[in-house]
Parts: sequence; C-alpha cells; structure tokens
Amino acid sequence: DGGITQSPKYLFRKEGQNVTLSCEQNLNHDAMYWYRQDPGQGLRLIYYSQIVNDFQKGDIAEGYSVSREKKESFPLTVTSAQKNPTAFYLCASKYSGTRDYEQYFGPGTRLTVT
Amino acid sequence: KNQVEQSPQSLIILEGKNCTLQCNYTVSPFSNLRWYKQDTGRGPVSLTIMTFSENTKSNGRYTATLDADTKQSSLHITASQLSDSASYICVVTSANQAGTALIFGKGTTLSVSS
Repeated sequence: DGGITQSPKYLFRKEGQNVTLSCEQNLNHDAMYWYRQDPGQGLRLIYYSQIVNDFQKGDIAEGYSVSREKKESFPLTVTSAQKNPTAFYLCASKYSGTRDYEQYFGPGTRLTVT
Repeated sequence: KNQVEQSPQSLIILEGKNCTLQCNYTVSPFSNLRWYKQDTGRGPVSLTIMTFSENTKSNGRYTATLDADTKQSSLHITASQLSDSASYICVVTSANQAGTALIFGKGTTLSVSS
C-alpha cells in the first residue's frame, strides 16, 4: 500500500519542549517537503530536500530543523525557538527532475503547544 | 510578487446545486496550475492540473478552466454532494532554471448542506 504517512495525527506538547514529527514515504520519491498550514492562510514551506543528506530552508524555517538520512524519511523537529508552533503540519513528496511532477501530501499532524 | 488569490473565501450551497470557485494569479514564469481538494484534518489531494495551453479539464463532476491571458482559473462543481464539503486550494507552479516554486492560494471552504 503505497503512500505518505505522518505520525502521530495529533500531538500535544508543553511550551519549551522540542518535538519531532514523522514523515515516511514508500513512493520512491526523491524530493520531500514540510509545510505549515494555519487557519485562513495558504500552505507555507518550512524545509525541503531534493536528495538524501541534503535539505534547504523554505520560507519559514526559523525554529525548525530537519534531517534526511534515508530516502524514505524526512522528520521535522519543532524546537522551543519556534514562537508559535501550534499548527497543522503537512509533509509532501514527489519525483525530482526537470519535469514538474505532482506533489503528494500526507494526512498531516496537528500540533498543539500549550 | 507572485500571488494566488482565491474567491470566495467560503461558500455554502445546497446539495445538488452547482458552484464555481475562482482563482486569480500573478505568477511569472507560469508553469502549471493545480486544484487540490482538502478534507478537514487531511492532506490535499490533486483534482486537476492545467498547463499554459489547456483551457478546460474535467475530473468527474469537477471541471477546471484556465485563461492564461487574464491569469484566471475556475473550478466548477456540478450536482454537488455532501462529500464535496472541503477546502479547495489553487496552486500555481513557477519554474525556471533556478528551480521550481509552488505558490498556494488560501483556499475556498465549501460547505454542502442537505
């Protein structure tokens, strides 16, 4: 059963704690992405990775960190430096290359920090 | 500045009725335009993709149009069903030698009532 999985679906943390969101894909996609979605706003790019062991900052990378040790996995850590971490986080993946392939999204993780 | 504007912000219609969602963009260079459907608490799923040369594309009861001259797109939903209740997101891809960027609209929230 191919696709992108994110876990957990809901996550609750106390302010000041780091938290890691999981994203796994078995689509053999090269590129992976993390987005943040807030009510009434469009998706905003946090980080992306085109290849293993390489990643780039997106538009709102401050307070976040990622790693890409395996092609299938792209975990996102929300650090205590992120001032407003409560949001819906979406992971996506796609094939790389000159052609513009479609991004496929995971089911998302809703993070609540109190 | 690359932007994607969607209207209306929200819409309520009766089951069985038709509706049209709008997307205006100022993105250059333009590569393609996608409409995504996002159910509450889930990841977006692609409905259609349109390139510069395409005017109309259908996917079941969903029909997307693109006017590249006026930089406008619409998504028409025919004979709406309760399951059409979701957020519909317009995404424009801009691609050049420097790379590819996705510009997301804020979405239109559609509620279909019985």
